[in-house]
Amino acid sequence: DGGITQSPKYLFRKEGQNVTLSCEQNLNHDAMYWYRQDPGQGLRLIYYSQIVNDFQKGDIAEGYSVSREKKESFPLTVTSAQKNPTAFYLCASRPQTGGAYEQYFGPGTRLTVT
Amino acid sequence: GNSVTQMEGPVTLSEEAFLTINCTYTATGYPSLFWYVQYPGEGLQLLLKATKADDKGSNKGFEATYRKETTSFHLEKGSVQVSDSAVYFCALSDHSNDYKLSFGAGTTVTVRA
Repeated sequence: DGGITQSPKYLFRKEGQNVTLSCEQNLNHDAMYWYRQDPGQGLRLIYYSQIVNDFQKGDIAEGYSVSREKKESFPLTVTSAQKNPTAFYLCASRPQTGGAYEQYFGPGTRLTVT
Repeated sequence: GNSVTQMEGPVTLSEEAFLTINCTYTATGYPSLFWYVQYPGEGLQLLLKATKADDKGSNKGFEATYRKETTSFHLEKGSVQVSDSAVYFCALSDHSNDYKLSFGAGTTVTVRA
């Protein structure tokens, strides 16, 4: 069954700790994205990658880092420099060909930092 | 740059009522347009899409028509159910912006039995 998996669904950390969120896809998509969603708000782009070993900053990259060593995987690290890390994090992927270029989303990880 | 403006919520309806959520956009190129739906605690699901002017996207009783002359992509459903309660996002994507999605703020819809 093709899709995007994010783990874990819920994550709790103490302030000052780095934490890495997992995103894996078996859709053979080239492009992958990370978004942040705060309560009652829309989605904001953190980082995106259109090809292995390459990635670009989105609108709110400060305090986050990513890597793209494999096509299937695009992990996001929330560093201690991120001032307000508590949020719902969504990963998405997109095929490079096929017409509409829509993105497909994973189920999300809810991160709580106290 | 690209931007999407959608009707503010929340919207509360009775079952079998007609739903419209307005969405207008600004884009430098020729965008593809999308409606996504998010159920509580879940990720976004693609509801429907349209790639060019006058295209009509449809799925699960929802419809939206790509209107280039009014730069709009309004979402409609003729008879809503309680299970349609969710947050709906209008979005666009085009090649001039690396196909990044530009989202509206989202509209929360609650359907009462």
